[in-house]
Amino acid sequence: EAGVTQFPSHSVIEKGQTVTLRCDPISGHDNLYWYRRVMGKEIKFLLHFVKESKQDESGMPNNRFLAERTGGTYSTLKVQPAELEDSGVYFCASSLFSNTEAFFGQGTRLTVV
Amino acid sequence: GESVGLHLPTLSVQEGDNSIINCAYSNSASDYFIWYKQESGKGPQFIIDIRSNMDKRQGQRVTVLLNKTVKHLSLQIAATQPGDSAVYFCAENIGAAGNKLTFGGGTRVLVKP
Repeated sequence: EAGVTQFPSHSVIEKGQTVTLRCDPISGHDNLYWYRRVMGKEIKFLLHFVKESKQDESGMPNNRFLAERTGGTYSTLKVQPAELEDSGVYFCASSLFSNTEAFFGQGTRLTVV
Repeated sequence: GESVGLHLPTLSVQEGDNSIINCAYSNSASDYFIWYKQESGKGPQFIIDIRSNMDKRQGQRVTVLLNKTVKHLSLQIAATQPGDSAVYFCAENIGAAGNKLTFGGGTRVLVKP
């Protein structure tokens, strides 16, 4: 069974550009989470989807970040416009239920220059 | 690797010795704790968890200890192997929050042959 997969694995963009990260959760997992670790900081929660609905987006840093999960399958996280401080590693995780083990993807390393 | 710029405490341990990794948490309301292992180029991988109604839980070669009085969590790895070299994170949450996890800063474990 495929695990959580994220695309791309690495993205380098210029300040002001737009980047879209994609996450494919484990098939059948209704719960999908985005986390990120920016340089020098801990891994931080961004948001939680249950199917296509945003259950909790309290961790989204600002309105330059937009997460979607149309159809309740894969999810995208768009950063527009990207700023230098957005550089870091963005993780996606999925779980069958909200209180069962969350499985993490390998992450997307975003570098904004 | 993705930890560039993130200054992690490092534990160097001789192969075959036991490792102890410590973590302090801050939220008294947290009632669920997880240890994750992250190898280079991969996402966090679940190792073991413990709920607040327990003070010890054992897995295969790993033991987690929870001291709620001082809000301290530890992970013990028995007979450390080269494959145990990784960054280890503790994470906490409040049960009702599901997988909205708060991560610690991480500890790098280096196993010397």
